[in-house]
Amino acid sequence: DAKTTQPNSMESNEEEPVHLPCNHSTISGTDYIHWYRQLPSQGPEYVIHGLTSNVNNRMASLAIAEDRKSSTLILHRATLRDAAVYYCILRDYGQNFVFGPGTRLSVLP
Amino acid sequence: NAGVTQTPKFQVLKTGQSMTLQCAQDMNHEYMSWYRQDPGMGLRLIHYSVGAGITDQGEVPNGYNVSRSTTEDFPLRLLSAAPSQTSVYFCASSPPWGGTGTYEQYFGPGTRLTVT
Repeated sequence: DAKTTQPNSMESNEEEPVHLPCNHSTISGTDYIHWYRQLPSQGPEYVIHGLTSNVNNRMASLAIAEDRKSSTLILHRATLRDAAVYYCILRDYGQNFVFGPGTRLSVLP
Repeated sequence: NAGVTQTPKFQVLKTGQSMTLQCAQDMNHEYMSWYRQDPGMGLRLIHYSVGAGITDQGEVPNGYNVSRSTTEDFPLRLLSAAPSQTSVYFCASSPPWGGTGTYEQYFGPGTRLTVT
């Protein structure tokens, strides 16, 4: 399984944009990039995923580098409810999801 | 849809006791899995199933058994509980295994297990 590297923790102010980085230098051509988040005392929830092109949905945007060796999850206006652990995961055909320790995002009021 | 449901929410066991954690999904998903999450750590895969009658081991399978007799249910059995199995257990499901890597997983709310 290709590995990802994320910062252990990040801080943001409420209502400001947040850019959460993820490095995946050994990504294969068929690996999809997934982001999940885990709010306190809850199970993980899907945020967004992409393959090559940037993606937007109601929760966030995913910016993927041209060489696909890194990606950035963008929360456009952080709220207190966005405080969570964010996981960047690579997943290919027929593979399980492998969760690393993720990035703990704190949002300051 | 109820999504993925897990019971019980909390459980305390004594060392050596056995129990079954229940997991059910109503989305007709073929793929189901069990994870454990220890304090301050990410999720680790215990067992998974790609369809009824098919199960396989994940990263940390020792001390756990699973079976998949229906598409909807995927119970996790602790054979003889040990303090090292104190953890939060999450069940998840997703659409067919044999597609691309695009399918997302849906997680249950978790079972918090303490073994004394």
